[in-house]
Amino acid sequence: EDKVVQSPLSLVVHEGDTVTLNCSYEVTNFRSLLWYKQEKKAPTFLFMLTSSGIEKKSGRLSSILDKKELFSILNITATQTGDSAIYLCVPNDMRFGAGTRLTVKP
Amino acid sequence: KAGVTQTPRYLIKTRGQQVTLSCSPISGHRSVSWYQQTPGQGLQFLFEYFSETQRNKGNFPGRFSGRQFSNSRSEMNVSTLELGDSALYLCASSPGPQETQYFGPGTRLLVL
Repeated sequence: EDKVVQSPLSLVVHEGDTVTLNCSYEVTNFRSLLWYKQEKKAPTFLFMLTSSGIEKKSGRLSSILDKKELFSILNITATQTGDSAIYLCVPNDMRFGAGTRLTVKP
Repeated sequence: KAGVTQTPRYLIKTRGQQVTLSCSPISGHRSVSWYQQTPGQGLQFLFEYFSETQRNKGNFPGRFSGRQFSNSRSEMNVSTLELGDSALYLCASSPGPQETQYFGPGTRLLVL
């Protein structure tokens, strides 16, 4: 059965810290993995990863995929309170996991 | 380009009633997926439509149904509403199946 496991489930840090969010997946016919950020509204798209070892970056956020180990990480450097959200990793079958709830304290 | 639109934005119903929610995808997008979000269960996949055909279905009872029209607009219907159906219902569109999805603002349903 396809599944997505994100860890940690919840994380509390202070502004300026760097965080790493983990996502492991088991998906048949894997094509891509997407990361979303969800605050109080609908999820917003962050990254789409299709190839192993190629880092995608957007400002303080970056993500990388390991297709051999079925694993992806999302890094956020110099965290800000506005980074507080639930971060969701989603394989191409679009089944969402529970996500990681990140809280950044001032 | 206009984003995904959902109507209505808010809805209050009573148990036993039925409800229809509407979703208009981004222009040119042909795939529409529906999700239910509750505080306890998180985001859960309902179904995915592409070219008026249901491609995937989540683990929801038959009271939850949907359809897609030729212009890619989609509706979902919930019959015999239960209190537990109170949730935010999100629609997401993508150019095609298994491509990046863009979410609408959601319809918040409250069942009393």
